[in-house]
Amino acid sequence: QQPVQSPQAVILREGEDAVINCSSSKALYSVHWYRQKHGEAPVFLMILLKGGEQKGHEKISASFNEKKQQSSLYLTASQLSYSGTYFCGTDDSGGSNYKLTFGKGTLLTVNP
Amino acid sequence: GAVVSQHPSWVICKSGTSVKIECRSLDFQATTMFWYRQFPKQSLMLMATSNEGSKATYEQGVEKDKFLINHASLTLSTLTVTSAHPEDSSFYICSARFPPAGNTIYFGEGSWLTVV
Repeated sequence: QQPVQSPQAVILREGEDAVINCSSSKALYSVHWYRQKHGEAPVFLMILLKGGEQKGHEKISASFNEKKQQSSLYLTASQLSYSGTYFCGTDDSGGSNYKLTFGKGTLLTVNP
Repeated sequence: GAVVSQHPSWVICKSGTSVKIECRSLDFQATTMFWYRQFPKQSLMLMATSNEGSKATYEQGVEKDKFLINHASLTLSTLTVTSAHPEDSSFYICSARFPPAGNTIYFGEGSWLTVV
């Protein structure tokens, strides 16, 4: 089941903040966030495991609400290098059939 | 993070021929690798899960005989696109599961396939 990401696109000025959401209709065991720049492969940002945690990575952090089957990625004080398409990948299998299903992505553009 | 290497980065082949793409985990043993396909401005679509020493598990709608996957060792998985057609042109990306990091999945650099 493909997770739903919102918004589809967002345009920021350097220094502004953004939130990208990811929701699923199925119970999730983990949520993974990636950033992909044009013509390149996705780059891993962070993983959130079942247990409702929040993680941070410099000015990028994320939360995971397993009860609501939702995750949010927070980008604060955005930099030009943050531009790209952000994908959430969800694992709803929990083990033997482990795989990630990705949302359609959120295109983030950071302008000077 | 773990390193996954994919080769070739881009390939052009004639319609009807076959092309092989390699995916290697460079600094860890990957019992599970995944092959994705991505069309321009679209999401990553899982094609198949490759398990070392066993047959790959294909997603619904993916032709097993057209996209041959072999995972002969703990560090190498290959995808062979057989009898390629122009509609097979796409960005193919492999990834590997890294259990020590909570089953984080790391991607290779991707391979651009153009069938002419």
